[in-house]
Amino acid sequence: SAVISQKPSRDICQRGTSLTIQCQVDSQVTMMFWYRQQPGQSLTLIATANQGSEATYESGFVIDKFPISRPNLTFSTLTVSNMSPEDSSIYLCSVEDHHRRGETQYFGPGTRLLVL
Amino acid sequence: EDQVTQSPEALRLQEGESSSLNCSYTVSGLRGLFWYRQDPGKGPEFLFTLYSAGEEKEKERLKATLTKKESFLHITAPKPEDSATYLCAVRGGTYKYIFGTGTRLKVLA
Repeated sequence: SAVISQKPSRDICQRGTSLTIQCQVDSQVTMMFWYRQQPGQSLTLIATANQGSEATYESGFVIDKFPISRPNLTFSTLTVSNMSPEDSSIYLCSVEDHHRRGETQYFGPGTRLLVL
Repeated sequence: EDQVTQSPEALRLQEGESSSLNCSYTVSGLRGLFWYRQDPGKGPEFLFTLYSAGEEKEKERLKATLTKKESFLHITAPKPEDSATYLCAVRGGTYKYIFGTGTRLKVLA
C-alpha cells in the first residue's frame, strides 16, 4: 500500500488568511483525493485531482476557495483560501491503489486546521 | 442514490466482550465495500475490502463479512487498544466513495 505524508500536521490560522497543505506519496498514483472531516463528522470529498488535468470539485466546493495543484504523479497541494472559523477541520489527502480485484483508497495522516 | 448507514453510533464494551458493528448500504453496481479504523485526530487506516456477497476477511480480532445489503465488522475478545472509530465506505457505479458516519468503539479494561 502507498505511504502518504502531509504537511503541516496541524496549524492555527487567523481568519482571512490562506493555508497550503502538501501531500506526498511514495509511489506514482493517478488519482488523488482531498477530503474534509469536520469535528464529529464523517468524510466529505472536496475534489479529485488527476495529474495533468484540472481538479474535479464536488457540489459545495469551488476552485476559488480550495485551489488544488497536481504537478506530478506523487504530489498535490490543497489551499484553503480566505479562511473562516467554519473551515476548522481535518483535511485528508488520499490516493487510490489499483490491484487485481479492484481499487482501494489509502489516507494520509491528515492536517488539523483551527481558524480563529 | 448511493447511501451508507452505520450502527450503532457508539458502543462501549468490556475487554473480552465480543460484538458486531453494522454497515447497511444502498449502491448501484458495488465495486467494493471498505472498512477503516480511525483514531482521534488521525487519518483513516485501511482494514478490509470486500467485493461480493459471501466474502469474509479476517485480521487479528477483526472479521468483516458482506451480504447484498449490509456488512458486519465482528470484534472478538476486544482489547482497549481496539478503541477507535470504525468507518465503512462503498464504491459503486459512480466511482465515488461514499462514507458512513462511523461507529465510535470504546473498550474498557
